[in-house]
Formats: sequence, structure tokens, C-alpha cells
Amino acid sequence: QLQLQESGPGLVKPSETLSLTCTVSGASISGSSYYWGWIRQPPGKGLEWIGSIYYSGNTYYTPSLKSRVTISVDTSKNQISLKLSSLTAADTAVYYCARGYSSGWYAPMGYWGHGTLVTVSS
Amino acid sequence: QSALTQPASVSGSPGQSITISCTGTSSDVGGYNYVSWYQQHPGKAPKLMIYEVSNRPSGVSNRFSGSKSGNTASLTISGLQAEDEADYYCSSYTSSSTLIFGGGTKLTVL
Repeated sequence: QLQLQESGPGLVKPSETLSLTCTVSGASISGSSYYWGWIRQPPGKGLEWIGSIYYSGNTYYTPSLKSRVTISVDTSKNQISLKLSSLTAADTAVYYCARGYSSGWYAPMGYWGHGTLVTVSS
Repeated sequence: QSALTQPASVSGSPGQSITISCTGTSSDVGGYNYVSWYQQHPGKAPKLMIYEVSNRPSGVSNRFSGSKSGNTASLTISGLQAEDEADYYCSSYTSSSTLIFGGGTKLTVL
């Protein structure tokens, strides 16, 4: 059974860089035809797609965050990572990692982690 | 790029049918059949309910159906049940090779 677990600091200071990891169990990232993505949701607000990555490292990012975000994959650890720099309070959100329901980077996210709340505050 | 437009809230009584709209442009909803719908209960991760406009993932009730006309996609829930009360989000692929979500619709079962 596929499981995704996000991990990382719950509190980060403004201007710092956020680093989150998504550990995948129940399936191997490498060799699969699925993309893996990060989505965030500010408290009480809607969903925002951050970006998606293939096991080969091919990535797609949302334009509004592209200059500050890096998504990477570590197939040896079966993990996906998110780095977001120059944080402000507006980056406070629940961050989800997810896997595409079918092949293709534009596939909808069919499997989700539970999410991790990140608060940006001094 | 702007989020897709959804009504902030809809409501219905048990057993009734409701429809949630999702309006975009010819560069997203209208241009591709890559519209999906998610259900999110409070404090939970979203759940995929519809993909590629009208397809249901395995395990999703056939009370949920999707359609599209022009730049507007729709999610219809028939035979409304108390457990359907949740937030619903649409999403679409865009011509800029990105994914965008709607602002979300809160469904209240009266």
C-alpha cells in the first residue's frame, strides 16, 4: 500500500530556507511512470500546486514560486524533497506531497500524504 | 495566472443533487480535458474524486460525476449524503505547462 510521509521543521524564520522531505513507502520512486508533486494550503485557504518531479529529475514549477523553489528526488532513499527560500509569512501553510494518479506530469494527484504544517515566524 | 473560479458555497438536503461549477479560460479548462476534482474534509488531505473531466477513480461512488462545457467544468453529486459535506476543489492543466486549482467550494448538507 502506497504511503507518503512529509517531514520537516514546523517553524521557520522569515528569510530562511524551508526544507521538507517526503518519504515514500509501498512503492519505488525509480522506474515508475508517475510524477510526484508538492502542493500547499495556507490556513483556511485553497490549494496551490508548487511543482512536480519525475524520478529522472525532470521538474515543473508554478511560475509564482519558480525563483525560490527546488524539488529534487533521492531514489536511493525513496524520497522527494522541497526547498523554498526567502520565506515570508505568506509561505505559512500545510505542505502536502502527492503522487500522480496516472502517468504524465499533468496527471491529477491520486495519492496524498497527511501534510505537514509549516509556520513562518520570528 | 488566476485561480479557477468556483462558488464559495453550495448547499443541499439529503437525497438531492447539487452541482459545483469551475470556470476558467480557453487556456486551461476549455482547452484541455485535464480537469479534476478533489474532496477535502476538515483536517484531512484532499481526495481525488474525478479526473480527465468525467472519470472516477476506483472506489469513488458513482453519485459523483463530472462534465465540461466550454470553459466551465462541473461536478455533480446526486443522492446527497451527510458524509459529502466537505470542501471541493477543481484543478486543470494549463497552456503554460502548469497546474492550477479553483478557490474551493464549501458544500453544506442541510
